[in-house]
This record gives sequence, C-alpha cells and structure tokens, in this order.
Amino acid sequence: GENVEQHPSTLSVQEGDSAVIKCTYSDSASNYFPWYKQELGKRPQLIIDIRSNVGEKKDQRIAVTLNKTAKHFSLHITETQPEDSAVYFCAARLSNYQLIWGAGTKLIIKP
Amino acid sequence: GAVVSQHPSRVICKSGTSVKIECRSLDFQATTMFWYRQFPKQSLMLMATSNEGSKATYEQGVEKDKFLINHASLTLSTLTVTSAHPEDSSFYICSARGGHGEQFFGPGTRLTVL
Repeated sequence: GENVEQHPSTLSVQEGDSAVIKCTYSDSASNYFPWYKQELGKRPQLIIDIRSNVGEKKDQRIAVTLNKTAKHFSLHITETQPEDSAVYFCAARLSNYQLIWGAGTKLIIKP
Repeated sequence: GAVVSQHPSRVICKSGTSVKIECRSLDFQATTMFWYRQFPKQSLMLMATSNEGSKATYEQGVEKDKFLINHASLTLSTLTVTSAHPEDSSFYICSARGGHGEQFFGPGTRLTVL
C-alpha cells in the first residue's frame, strides 16, 4: 500500500537553531502535503501545507519544500523556541482524500 | 475556521460494555468524516472513512462489527466501540473533510477500558 516515511523520529536542537524534518511518499498521484503539530493529548494542528504545483511555501518561521520528482518534502523551522516542542507529522493526501501519515518526529527544543 | 467537536472527551468503562463517540462539524457540512485511533507515541492510524448516507469503508484489520460507524447527517458521525476490551483503550480522533479537501480534527476522545 501507499506509505509515507518520516525522519528523524526524534530531533533535539538548541533554542534559536533551525530544525528540519524530512518525508518521502510513495504515491506519485499525491498532490497535497500537510504538516501537523501535535501536543500531548491534543488534536493535530495544521501548521503549514503545500500543493504539488508549488515548490516552496513559507509562513514566518516555518517553511515547507517539495521535490515532486524525488517525492520528498521537508519542514523547516527557523529560530526555534521552547513552544515549538511537540510531535510533528507529515502526511500525503491520496486521490480519495485519505491522508497517509508519517510516523512522527518528536522535536525537543533545549534551552 | 472550521470547527469539529467530539464527545465525550474522556470515557472510562468496564470491559464488555459499549461506548459511543460523537463527531460533529459545527459550522460546515461534511460529507466525509474519518475516524482515527492513536496509541501512545505512535502516529494516527486510519480506522475507517465515513460517508454520509452510505456504509463506512473500513481499513484492513479493523473489525466493522466491533467498530460501528454511523453517518446519518452531514454534520454528525458516530463511532460505537462494541464490547470494549482493555486493548481498545486508545485516543480516538475524528476529522471532517472540508470543501477544499482539507481535514479538520476533533479534539479526540480518550477511552480507557478497565
């Protein structure tokens, strides 16, 4: 079946540094790639998304890049802050609107 | 933005009982809702896709007779965990599909089966 691989599973960075999380997907027909932030015991929150007709999208400290040929997409967080600590999930949407989820990355921001 | 509610937020029940979880889209109509289960430190696992007015589509390995889904209106889908057992204890999250295909998530239901 279709799958999304996400790396790393855990990422620890110094406050103020940048964090990068990478995902690859298998379904070449996927055309929408959201990123979610989930805090413990809470619902996933959409933080940024990108569609297949765009290579990069930025929103303040958060950016996402997409390489459709290689089927890679990445989340970049700059100037990390303590409140960025959470689990981040990437996903790829299938043609039937189902989301295929990555396994998640636990981001730890060290003070 | 679109709001999805889920009720109850937390439930504790005895083994063998049934539990119903409601998912409502409050300010939009959702022809499609998704039900997920999330175990500790794991990703969301899609259980089933619920379409208004038709039978739900279950993912492989999910027992349709144990996890009953009803999507009787454009704003409400329910998941009933029948004859719950301790291994069914998990975080259950629904999402509703918006007009542009995006998914809006409910706050989740923490189910604990004793």
